[in-house]
Amino acid sequence: AQKITQTQPGMFVQEKEAVTLDCTYDTSDPSYGLFWYKQPSSGEMIFLIYQGSYDQQNATEGRYSLNFQKARKSANLVISASQLGDSAMYFCAMRDISNFGNEKLTFGTGTRLTIIP
Amino acid sequence: EAQVTQNPRYLITVTGKKLTVTCSQNMNHEYMSWYRQDPGLGLRQIYYSMNVEVTDKGDVPEGYKVSRKEKRNFPLILESPSPNQTSLYFCASSLRRAYSPLHFGNGTRLTVT
Repeated sequence: AQKITQTQPGMFVQEKEAVTLDCTYDTSDPSYGLFWYKQPSSGEMIFLIYQGSYDQQNATEGRYSLNFQKARKSANLVISASQLGDSAMYFCAMRDISNFGNEKLTFGTGTRLTIIP
Repeated sequence: EAQVTQNPRYLITVTGKKLTVTCSQNMNHEYMSWYRQDPGLGLRQIYYSMNVEVTDKGDVPEGYKVSRKEKRNFPLILESPSPNQTSLYFCASSLRRAYSPLHFGNGTRLTVT
């Protein structure tokens, strides 16, 4: 079974500072993918970034980067130069990618990020 | 614009009155799925479909039905809604590639009184 743990229920960060959102995971699958999603107060789920378990380099996507430490089973999201529009709930998620059956995502409980002007 | 479209965004209904939440994607994705999101319980998968006419149960399928008659559409049917089905519902689709993310619709907030 897969499990995602996000230990920070809420974070407050000053605008323009960098922020790291923590995510640790547990799985017995040999191949897996890790995802981060953003959920603004309007409710939609927005895909941010993906990291495959065999990827050698950390994923980056604009201001988002994923600090992937496989031995520690962590996949922290780093947001550089935070903006007011970054205020939202952030979810870490994972799925088994060793087969193409159910592509169910297992989600963490989320971190509510608030950017302070 | 590539997207997953759910309707309606908000729905208030009464116990026992059948309802359908529609979901359509324009990305030619094979895989589609429904999730519900509840405080303290997170997102849980209800049903999924790997292709037309192929559907299967997720983690919380009781009280729901789905169908996949066309590739683009994956409606969620509540035959006899109950108050414990009050939730935020998401439809999602993906390309069925290892690196392909799930693309979510904007969500349907359902209240059953």
